[in-house]
This record gives sequence, C-alpha cells and structure tokens, in this order.
Amino acid sequence: DGGITQSPKYLFRKEGQNVTLSCEQNLNHDAMYWYRQDPGQGLRLIYYSQIVNDFQKGDIAEGYSVSREKKESFPLTVTSAQKNPTAFYLCASSQGTGSYEQYFGPGTRLTVT
Amino acid sequence: AQSVTQLGSHVSVSEGALVLLRCNYSSSVPPYLFWYVQYPNQGLQLLLKYTSAATLVKGINGFEAEFKKSETSFHLTKPSAHMSDAAEYFCAVRMAGGTSYGKLTFGQGTILTVHP
Repeated sequence: DGGITQSPKYLFRKEGQNVTLSCEQNLNHDAMYWYRQDPGQGLRLIYYSQIVNDFQKGDIAEGYSVSREKKESFPLTVTSAQKNPTAFYLCASSQGTGSYEQYFGPGTRLTVT
Repeated sequence: AQSVTQLGSHVSVSEGALVLLRCNYSSSVPPYLFWYVQYPNQGLQLLLKYTSAATLVKGINGFEAEFKKSETSFHLTKPSAHMSDAAEYFCAVRMAGGTSYGKLTFGQGTILTVHP
C-alpha cells in the first residue's frame, strides 16, 4: 500500500537532547512538509521541500532542522534550541502544488521533560 | 496573504441531525480549499477539496461543501450525523497561481461531538 510512515508513534526525551523524527513516503511525491500541531492552534508549517536536496523554512522553523537526501525521506531534527518542543508532529507529502492535496502520515507525539 | 477562520472551536449535534461546520477564508487570488478530518492521535485525512470546477463539492462519508465567493466561505455540511463523525475538522486554503509553493494555511480546527 502507498502511504506515509512516521516513526516512532510516541517519543520521550530529556530537555537538552536533540531528537530526530522519521518520515518516509512511497507515493513518489516530490513535495514533503513538516507541521507542528498544538491544541487549539491548528497546524503550523515548520519546513517544506519541493525537491530532493532542497528545502525551505516554514512559519516556525527556529529550533528545527531537516534534510532531503532522498525523494522518499524527509527527517526532522528537533534541536535543544527549540524552546517548547513537546507537540504532535505531522509529516505530509504532495504530488505538486496547485490543486493537489497533501497526504498526511499518522504523526509522532514528542514529549520533552 | 491567505488566512482561514473556522467559526466555533466546538460543535455538538445529536445523532441524525444536520452537521454544519463553518469556514471563511481570505485570499488575494482565487483559492483552492480543502477540508480534512482528524481522529484522536492520528494524521489528517482529506474529506473534499474545491478546485474551481464546481461550487458544490461532494466528499467522502456523506460530507459536502459549497464554495461561495461572495461570502468567502466554504462551509462543510452533512445531512445526518453519525456517531463515527465525531472528530476534529480542519479547513485549509492554498492560493492558486503566483509563486505559491503549495503551502496550506489551516484553520484552528473544530471539534465535532455527536450525542446519541
């Protein structure tokens, strides 16, 4: 089945540690996105990538980093510089821009204490 | 700039009643509009999308939405609510044309509760 996988589902880290969230897609989509979701705030865009080896900052990129070395993979690193890292993180991909919808993975819930 | 407002963070209906979830957008150019549904601790699933082909859009699970340019609205409706419709619903907008990179702007979400 085609889709997007995110791992792990739940992740716990101590404050001050970097952590990397995995996102893989087998939909052959060029564009991939990372969102952060907090209660009552909808989804906010962290980073996006339109093509391999290229990515751009979204609305809340501070404290995060990404890479796009392969078309199917777009990992997100939450660094110790992120002040409030506890959140639900969603990865998405899209065939393109315009009217194409984004397909979402199941999400990773990160808790930092 | 584009933005989305969902009126009502919580909506409660009885099973069998009409579901109406409101979404208003602002966009400087004709937009593409989307409704997504999210069940607890899961990702988002597309319900339907407006791409300028028809103003009344039918989606999955019996949902539909009507694009009204004069009111800048894209409200989501379902004639008869089912218990399984209880979830959070997000409206999203993307500008058509220009230098859009595919960015979706999401509303803050509406939690739908269905009572027996």
